[in-house]
Amino acid sequence: DIQMTQSPSSLSASVGDRVTITCRASQSISTYLNWYQQKPGKAPKLLIYAASSLQSGVPSSFSGSGSGTDFTLTISSLQPEDIATYYCQQSYTTPWTFGQGTKVEIK
Amino acid sequence: QVQLVESGGGLVKPGGSLRLSCAASGFSFSDYYMSWLRQAPGKGLEWVSYISSSSTYTNYADSVKGRFTISRDNAKKSLYLQMNSLRAEDTSVYYCARVQYTSSTRYYFDYWGQGALVTVSS
Repeated sequence: DIQMTQSPSSLSASVGDRVTITCRASQSISTYLNWYQQKPGKAPKLLIYAASSLQSGVPSSFSGSGSGTDFTLTISSLQPEDIATYYCQQSYTTPWTFGQGTKVEIK
Repeated sequence: QVQLVESGGGLVKPGGSLRLSCAASGFSFSDYYMSWLRQAPGKGLEWVSYISSSSTYTNYADSVKGRFTISRDNAKKSLYLQMNSLRAEDTSVYYCARVQYTSSTRYYFDYWGQGALVTVSS
């Protein structure tokens, strides 16, 4: 199975800060990497697919990059509504696997 | 708008069975792969299974293979997960999700239901 490792596991930042979350795959997955946002008590929501494509309706403050084994999710200016846990997920091969999540909080 | 609504969750004893349903609306259900995912309390996300649009292909996580069966009824726009031989470690919120696919992007889950809680306990 492909292991997905996110860092950090949690972070605290101020409103307006630039936030970067990294995701590393245990083997090359090309650009078959997706990002989801999950707010407490809610279902996950797709943010980014294929490493860098922004899902319709998602604010442009979110962006993704990377290929191969190393990927990043960036929030250009953190807002209070961005408080959530973020997960990366590979779709290169089954079993489709997720990172352990990164919890983002406001400082 | 796309809606996915799970039902059938509840409390079941170890070794018991449960069937989850997911009612879809707002899109052409028969055109899409569908999937089940789960999340244990306080834990991360785990993919469980997928089924192709015409039920030709199914795939399962090793953790549920041989115990869970995914199925669908395109006429009823419904997805199902039959769960047998349930264990305490199957306790989770179970989500159904629509699977989007292109050859360039591969697979991703673009819409999710609100989830159904399954608790396996004596």
